[in-house]
Amino acid sequence: AQSVAQPEDQVNVAEGNPLTVKCTYSVSGNPYLFWYVQYPNRGLQFLLKYITGDNLVKGSYGFEAEFNKSQTSFHLKKPSALVSDSALYFCAVTGAGSYQLTFGKGTKLSVIP
Amino acid sequence: DTAVSQTPKYLVTQMGNDKSIKCEQNLGHDTMYWYKQDSKKFLKIMFSYNNKELIINETVPNRFSPKSPDKAHLNLHINSLELGDSAVYFCASSPPGTGSYNEQFFGPGTRLTVL
Repeated sequence: AQSVAQPEDQVNVAEGNPLTVKCTYSVSGNPYLFWYVQYPNRGLQFLLKYITGDNLVKGSYGFEAEFNKSQTSFHLKKPSALVSDSALYFCAVTGAGSYQLTFGKGTKLSVIP
Repeated sequence: DTAVSQTPKYLVTQMGNDKSIKCEQNLGHDTMYWYKQDSKKFLKIMFSYNNKELIINETVPNRFSPKSPDKAHLNLHINSLELGDSAVYFCASSPPGTGSYNEQFFGPGTRLTVL
């Protein structure tokens, strides 16, 4: 069975500071990893994904994520947070050949002006 | 143009009623999904169709029945609604090809409230 853990329910960061939202995963075989963002009363929007190759993945709105196979982690990062980044962030994992995406419970990011 | 659309956006109904939620995508995708997001924001897959064929059928009550009349549409019918069915239901779609590495595109959600 595949699973995702997002250990923090909420992350608070000051505007302009770097941010990290943590994610660890468990899956059989090679992982395919995703980050999505959900703004209030909206659907999820895709941010970035890791399939293979470079461990540092760059995505939308200046976000990036680092895949670490030994630590089974895929943390989301941004060098300088904006107030508009405040939202709910979901990490998700699936395995090769699977259509089934398993989501973490989400981390609420609050960027304080 | 809306990529993945759902109707209605809000649905308020009484226990025991039957209701449907419709989903349409204009992205030319082959695979569509239904998710349930509960009050704690936990997101869980319910069903998935690929080229009108059911490929994911998670453990949900059989009061929930998906129907895919064509690749662009995936509807969700719910019989005998219960209080616990209150949630936000999201439709999503993903492009053709191996499902694993394709990101999913989500609709705006349908907030179902059962009274």
